[in-house]
Amino acid sequence: ETGVTQTPRHLVMGMTNKKSLKCEQHLGHNAMYWYKQSAKKPLELMFVYSLEERVENNSVPSRFSPECPNSSHLFLHLHTLQPEDSALYLCASSQSWRGSEQYFGPGTRLTVT
Amino acid sequence: QKEVEQNSGPLSVPEGAIASLNCTYSDRGSQSFFWYRQYSGKSPELIMFIYSNGDKEDGRFTAQLNKASQYVSLLIRDSQPSDSATYLCAVNPGNTPLVFGKGTRLSVIA
Repeated sequence: ETGVTQTPRHLVMGMTNKKSLKCEQHLGHNAMYWYKQSAKKPLELMFVYSLEERVENNSVPSRFSPECPNSSHLFLHLHTLQPEDSALYLCASSQSWRGSEQYFGPGTRLTVT
Repeated sequence: QKEVEQNSGPLSVPEGAIASLNCTYSDRGSQSFFWYRQYSGKSPELIMFIYSNGDKEDGRFTAQLNKASQYVSLLIRDSQPSDSATYLCAVNPGNTPLVFGKGTRLSVIA
């Protein structure tokens, strides 16, 4: 595997389900990110981790819960989501969280029914 | 509030023409600048970066930076239908993650 990988690529879940998104980076980077991108909307930064420590989170509802067990892996735990949470969820990594170029995974297309 | 502004488009250009995509930023201390290409339904892909005033060329792409005017642009020469995508400008303010613009949608008409 190379670059940034994300699983699953597609996910359909009901509003009462609990699921997790997984991201893995193979670039030796120290920072990882979660973004949300709704249809035809700009990127929304959700969470930033540097060396497994959360350094920024931007007013994200508590139904989204991130976890970073090590610098190569990042999870986004989802529970009791709403239909408006349907979007493309993108993971990215960079060498440093302070302004380094970011490399994105392919994304998880989430549909909440 | 650090801001990056882009015209949302769509910018339509005929095949073979030069496409010019523009971006302005608010933080005068910004240090480096990036262009990403995002095809519909796909993730952003880094295509160019520039750190110094002036031009930087890579194949058909040229990035231009003018720090005094707080302006960065991307020129695509000999535009192809495969260049049709949304182009995101991203700015490094120095002490925060990259700040992304909302993107400009480019349509190259065959």
